[in-house]
Amino acid sequence: GESVGLHLPTLSVQEGDNSIINCAYSNSASDYFIWYKQESGKGPQFIIDIRSNMDKRQGQRVTVLLNKTVKHLSLQIAATQPGDSAVYFCAELNSGGGADGLTFGKGTHLIIQP
Amino acid sequence: NAGVTQTPKFQVLKTGQSMTLQCAQDMNHEYMSWYRQDPGMGLRLIHYSVGAGITDQGEVPNGYNVSRSTTEDFPLRLLSAAPSQTSVYFCATRRKGRSPLHFGNGTRLTVT
Repeated sequence: GESVGLHLPTLSVQEGDNSIINCAYSNSASDYFIWYKQESGKGPQFIIDIRSNMDKRQGQRVTVLLNKTVKHLSLQIAATQPGDSAVYFCAELNSGGGADGLTFGKGTHLIIQP
Repeated sequence: NAGVTQTPKFQVLKTGQSMTLQCAQDMNHEYMSWYRQDPGMGLRLIHYSVGAGITDQGEVPNGYNVSRSTTEDFPLRLLSAAPSQTSVYFCATRRKGRSPLHFGNGTRLTVT
């Protein structure tokens, strides 16, 4: 089964609000995590990553939080804009996960309300 | 710097036909891989390569062949297309170690 899962398939937020997208993983051996954004008709786009020796990493308007105790990953998007509408999914990397070590979640569809 | 380039963008095949999906990268990444994406299934690994001359099977390799004669190119061959191969195909690359995959924009394949 999926070792990387999502709590909500769809998340609707007001423009300007902050968005939080969650991801659970089950393999404690995973040591590297990635968030992707996928717009309709396009390939997944790398947003931000985090290694397991970190709890938090910030980028431009995005923050990833890693809680290894409960095997939980979240992506926070500040001041959500219409261009943030997309499917977001996480990925984990470990030596035993998939042939190339990567396992992907199925995604959360972020919808921005005007 | 084009990144990962996939051709064609769209393709329609009849059952039994063969074709090659092209993937080229200009990032000098060691790792290249092919995924298919189907509704409700997420990304599934077909084949991957850790360097020129080296390929290996992923989760769903049946019906597909790959080769890696150069660092830059990693074509995916459908030997005898089946309707079950209707999907969106993504090529991706990354450096060795803990680094993110970089994806192309996909090939949308329909097999009738």
